[in-house]
Amino acid sequence: DGGITQSPKYLFRKEGQNVTLSCEQNLNHDAMYWYRQDPGQGLRLIYYSQIVNDFQKGDIAEGYSVSREKKESFPLTVTSAQKNPTAFYLCASSPQDISYEQYFGPGTRLTVT
Amino acid sequence: KQEVTQIPAALSVPEGENLVLNCSFTDSAIYNLQWFRQDPGKGLTSLLLIQSSQREQTSGRLNASLDKSSGRSTLYIAASQPGDSATYLCAASGAGSYQLTFGKGTKLSVIP
Repeated sequence: DGGITQSPKYLFRKEGQNVTLSCEQNLNHDAMYWYRQDPGQGLRLIYYSQIVNDFQKGDIAEGYSVSREKKESFPLTVTSAQKNPTAFYLCASSPQDISYEQYFGPGTRLTVT
Repeated sequence: KQEVTQIPAALSVPEGENLVLNCSFTDSAIYNLQWFRQDPGKGLTSLLLIQSSQREQTSGRLNASLDKSSGRSTLYIAASQPGDSATYLCAASGAGSYQLTFGKGTKLSVIP
């Protein structure tokens, strides 16, 4: 089955610790994205990547870092510099064709205490 | 910068009713507009994508329309069912960008 996997589904960390969220896709999509969703808010773009070894900041990149060493993988690190890291994190991918239709993973809920 | 608004924030209808969800956007020079469904605690499921050159798209009981001149899109759901209960999100790209800007969603409840 083709799709996007995110792990783990739930993640708990202590304040001051860095944490890495996994995102893998087997859709052969070139572009991948990370979003953050807070209650009552729309999704906000953290980082995106259109090609391996290249990525750009989205609207709320501060306190986050990413890497894109493989086409299938786009891990997100939430650093201790992120002031309000508790949120629902969603990964997406899209083909670089005429549609750019985005497909989403199941999400990771991160709680930092 | 593209801004997307969805009104109302919540909607409750009896089963079997036809309904319309609204989405407005500020930048009419969009590349595409995408409608998603989100169930509680889950990821987003793509329902329909309308490219800027298209006026509407249909899938089963769903029909989405796009009017760039007025900055509006609607999602029409025919013969609603309790299983349609979810949050519906609209997202539009801005001029010169494939990146999506999301609305806050409309939470739909279909009452049996």
